[in-house]
Amino acid sequence: EDKVVQSPLSLVVHEGDTVTLNCSYEVTNFRSLLWYKQEKKAPTFLFMLTSSGIEKKSGRLSSILDKKELFSILNITATQTGDSAIYLCAVGYNTDKLIFGTGTRLQVFP
Amino acid sequence: ETGVTQTPRHLVMGMTNKKSLKCEQHLGHNAMYWYKQSAKKPLELMFVYSLEERVENNSVPSRFSPECPNSSHLFLHLHTLQPEDSALYLCASSQERGQGNEKLFFGSGTQLSVL
Repeated sequence: EDKVVQSPLSLVVHEGDTVTLNCSYEVTNFRSLLWYKQEKKAPTFLFMLTSSGIEKKSGRLSSILDKKELFSILNITATQTGDSAIYLCAVGYNTDKLIFGTGTRLQVFP
Repeated sequence: ETGVTQTPRHLVMGMTNKKSLKCEQHLGHNAMYWYKQSAKKPLELMFVYSLEERVENNSVPSRFSPECPNSSHLFLHLHTLQPEDSALYLCASSQERGQGNEKLFFGSGTQLSVL
């Protein structure tokens, strides 16, 4: 069965902390892995990864994919209260399938 | 703003009501999607339209009826819903359907409560 598992389910940190969110997957014919941030309602795109070992970076956020071990991590350094959100991982597989994980809820307190 | 607009933002309906959710995208995309997001569950794909043709229907009950009159508009018609249908309904679009088009643009969703 194709699946995406995210961990932890929730995380509470203080501003300035660094966090690492995990996404592991088991799918047939992997194509890509995507990260989204869902603050209120609309998930917004963060990164898409297709190759192992190549870090994608945007400001304080970065992500990397390991296609051998079938996982990705999303790092957020120097967290701010505005980083509080649900972070969703999704994996594209087969010809046109996309499967989501349940998400990690991050709360950043001042 | 993601370029995908959904209305209404909130909807409360009884089990005997008929209502419709509306989605409009201003991105020139050719594929549109309906997703259901329930608490503590992954996003569930309901329907996919590519160039106004329904290309996927993931075993969704017939009380949910999609309509795509053109590539910019998508509707979800609701009738005789059940309380377990209460959820956030998200519309999304992508340039095309399929490989290389996994990046979706989501609307803000309709929070639906069925009483």
